[in-house]
Amino acid sequence: NAGVTQTPKFQVLKTGQSMTLQCAQDMNHEYMSWYRQDPGMGLRLIHYSVGAGITDQGEVPNGYNVSRSTTEDFPLRLLSAAPSQTSVYFCASSDRHPGTSGVKSSKNIQYFGAGTRLSVL
Amino acid sequence: ILNVEQSPQSLHVQEGDSTNFTCSFPSSNFYALHWYRWETAKSPEALFVMTLNGDEKKKGRISATLNTKEGYSYLYIKGSQPEDSATYLCAFLGSGGGADGLTFGKGTHLIIQP
Repeated sequence: NAGVTQTPKFQVLKTGQSMTLQCAQDMNHEYMSWYRQDPGMGLRLIHYSVGAGITDQGEVPNGYNVSRSTTEDFPLRLLSAAPSQTSVYFCASSDRHPGTSGVKSSKNIQYFGAGTRLSVL
Repeated sequence: ILNVEQSPQSLHVQEGDSTNFTCSFPSSNFYALHWYRWETAKSPEALFVMTLNGDEKKKGRISATLNTKEGYSYLYIKGSQPEDSATYLCAFLGSGGGADGLTFGKGTHLIIQP
């Protein structure tokens, strides 16, 4: 199984450029999310989706857009890149969204992609 | 914003020694605690999902305990091996309808010295 696939692995942008980080999962997971990892910080949630057509903001959503037109794909868009968006980005998915009660806890396990290392100059 | 603290931040351990480290989280509105192992240049992988006070989980030489009343979890590694070198993340999920996901700690970076 491919699991969670992120592309690209590395990207360098100039300030003001736009780009889309791709994320796809082949496990038919309901829940997908994007995190960023910065030095000295824990993984911070950018946006998440509990199913196709449904997205919502996480802790640090500013400067990013998402959409979820299919169960499999959850792209993250940077409309106008800024140096503060230099980071490592991780996409994750799970069978059910983490807050689903009455569901076996194993279904809340997050499966992560390999990450995208983004530098904005 | 929830406070999830991991200590120590980094840890050097001699091969063969046993070690442990801590994750502290809010003791109210607990729903679940996750532990992930994150090797350099790879993506985090789940070790344990813990939901009940007093839970103890084990996977090979790694085990974890959970105390939801006082808000902490310990991760233990017995007889450390070089392949145990990684960053260990804990993530807290509260019971307040947490569709907005897990709150991750900053991790404990473990280095096993041969």
